[in-house]
Amino acid sequence: QQQVKQSPQSLIVQKGGISIINCAYENTAFDYFPWYQQFPGKGPALLIAIRPDVSEKKEGRFTISFNKSAKQFSLHIMDSQPGDSATYFCAASIVFDRGSTLGRLYFGRGTQLTVWP
Amino acid sequence: EAQVTQNPRYLITVTGKKLTVTCSQNMNHEYMSWYRQDPGLGLRQIYYSMNVEVTDKGDVPEGYKVSRKEKRNFPLILESPSPNQTSLYFCASSLSGQRLLYEQYFGPGTRLTVT
Repeated sequence: QQQVKQSPQSLIVQKGGISIINCAYENTAFDYFPWYQQFPGKGPALLIAIRPDVSEKKEGRFTISFNKSAKQFSLHIMDSQPGDSATYFCAASIVFDRGSTLGRLYFGRGTQLTVWP
Repeated sequence: EAQVTQNPRYLITVTGKKLTVTCSQNMNHEYMSWYRQDPGLGLRQIYYSMNVEVTDKGDVPEGYKVSRKEKRNFPLILESPSPNQTSLYFCASSLSGQRLLYEQYFGPGTRLTVT
């Protein structure tokens, strides 16, 4: 069972446009929602993360929008650049037991973003 | 430099020949994990470890073994590799605990081909 559902699978955007990637989840126990960026030949790297009590977080051209009631969150890349071409993964983390350190991070299936110059 | 290293980076092997992919981190992280990445399937967790001698299965553990005898190392063992284990493998580590579990540091990946 897929814990985090991500769409679209691929996305092509013109330079300067807005890229939007969406994710949905069911488990309300998730406590952080990060986005990872992966360039070809590299491992994924944390891009930005949000807590469920925050509706929006912005870092430069990257913004996470979070809708707790709909159990959805999205990544917006403003003024998309060719250098943003990469695979993006949304994820959700959960701690199994408050006060312990046991937990996991679940990933979506990824979105391959191509930004044309 | 803080990093996660994996070796080898590329490996071609034959069905049934035991192999080990090593993973090491120098950040004193408690949490380590192995993922496989396949087209259209994203990152799927194989095994994870919350600390030394503490490991647990992820979503796709069949055909894999791990051990965590030292905090910095977390090798992935394929006792009898099969072609369906051809994939790109990533090791990752992070500090444990609620706030930091989501911030994982990934290695550069190991491309494994089993013929």
